[in-house]
Amino acid sequence: AQSVTQPDIHITVSEGASLELRCNYSYGATPYLFWYVQSPGQGLQLLLKYFSGDTLVQGIKGFEAEFKRSQSSFNLRKPSVHWSDAAEYFCGFNTNAGKSTFGDGTTLTVKP
Amino acid sequence: DAGITQSPRYKITETGRQVTLMCHQTWSHSYMFWYRQDLGHGLRLIYYSAAADITDKGEVPDGYVVSRSKTENFPLTLESATRSQTSVYFCASSLAGGLNNEQFFGPGTRLTVL
Repeated sequence: AQSVTQPDIHITVSEGASLELRCNYSYGATPYLFWYVQSPGQGLQLLLKYFSGDTLVQGIKGFEAEFKRSQSSFNLRKPSVHWSDAAEYFCGFNTNAGKSTFGDGTTLTVKP
Repeated sequence: DAGITQSPRYKITETGRQVTLMCHQTWSHSYMFWYRQDLGHGLRLIYYSAAADITDKGEVPDGYVVSRSKTENFPLTLESATRSQTSVYFCASSLAGGLNNEQFFGPGTRLTVL
């Protein structure tokens, strides 16, 4: 079955600390993976995406993600978190049918 | 450039009433989507459309109806609202289908069914 798992429902980090949000997927082929961010009261915005090539991809706002085929993972990282990064983060993938499958999201809280 | 807009942003209705949520995009994107977002469930696809007059069911279509007579509009109708349909609804669009489609999301409509 096609699915996305974000194991951490809620993560709290201190401002300036590093961040890693986990994402695992189940898909029959190489997926087109993405991370979206949803700020409070807003719609979703694309952070970054991966389909092929370099397994470490850079996104907006200083985020990066690494694709690891052997682990079926696509974890999101940021070296130093800012208070404005507090939001909900969604991992997912696209299918050939033009649809997307999203994980349940991880809520990030940033402590001052 | 307005992008993708949704109306109303907030709606309170009563059980059994018909409600229509509007979605409008100015990019002439082929694909449009409706999702609902609930705590613990992330985003779930209700319906999507590959082009005008072409719609298809998503993961949770029961109780919803869509139409797409024009490329830019994709209204979602709850024919007889139920309390379980209390949720935040997001509309999205993408230029095309396939693997490389980036979806652009509207700001959402918060619907409460009493």
